[in-house]
Amino acid sequence: GESVGLHLPTLSVQEGDNSIINCAYSNSASDYFIWYKQESGKGPQFIIDIRSNMDKRQGQRVTVLLNKTVKHLSLQIAATQPGDSAVYFCAEKRAGRRALTFGSGTRLQVQP
Amino acid sequence: SAVISQKPSRDICQRGTSLTIQCQVDSQVTMMFWYRQQPGQSLTLIATANQGSEATYESGFVIDKFPISRPNLTFSTLTVSNMSPEDSSIYLCSVAGGGRNTDTQYFGPGTRLTVL
Repeated sequence: GESVGLHLPTLSVQEGDNSIINCAYSNSASDYFIWYKQESGKGPQFIIDIRSNMDKRQGQRVTVLLNKTVKHLSLQIAATQPGDSAVYFCAEKRAGRRALTFGSGTRLQVQP
Repeated sequence: SAVISQKPSRDICQRGTSLTIQCQVDSQVTMMFWYRQQPGQSLTLIATANQGSEATYESGFVIDKFPISRPNLTFSTLTVSNMSPEDSSIYLCSVAGGGRNTDTQYFGPGTRLTVL
C-alpha cells in the first residue's frame, strides 16, 4: 500500500553540525507536508510545512526540501543543538483528505 | 497556534474497563482528529471527530471500541472501551482549521494509557 516512510531510524550528530533527516512518500497526489518534532513525553510539535507547489521553504535554523520527481522530503537543521534531540516525523496530507499520514519517525541524537 | 489540552494526561486502567479522554481547544476549530501512538511507533489516525454528527473512522477502528463525541467546535472526547493490554498507547488529539492555514494540524500533549 501507499505509505510515508523514513530512510534512517536513528541519526547521531555532533553539536554544531548540520542535520539532515529524510523521508520518502509514495502518493503523488499528496499536496501538503509537515515536519513534527516529538520530545519524550510530549505531543508532536509543528516545525515547518511545505506545499507541493514549492520545492524549498526555510524557517529559523530549519529548511524543508521537497523533490516531487523522486517523492522525497528532507528536513535540514542548521547548527544542531542538544535541544534538538527528539524524534522527527514527516507527515503528508493526501489530496481530498483532511487527516495526515505519518512516517515511521527518525530519532535525532545530538552528541555534545 | 491553538492551545490544546487533554485530560487525563495519563492513567493506568484494568482490563475490561473504559476510559474517556477529553480534548479541549482554546479557540474554535474546523477539524478535530484522534490518533493513537503505540509504544515506540508512529501515529495512526483513529477517526475524524465531526461536530454534530458521527465520527468518521479509519480502517481497523470501530465506533463500538472507540466512541467519539464532538458537541461543539472546541471540545471532543474519545472513549477506549473494554480495554485490553493491547490498547496501551498514547492517545493524541489534533486540530486544524483554526488559523490562516486550514491544513496545518496541531497536537495536544497526549494521554498515556497503560492497561493491566
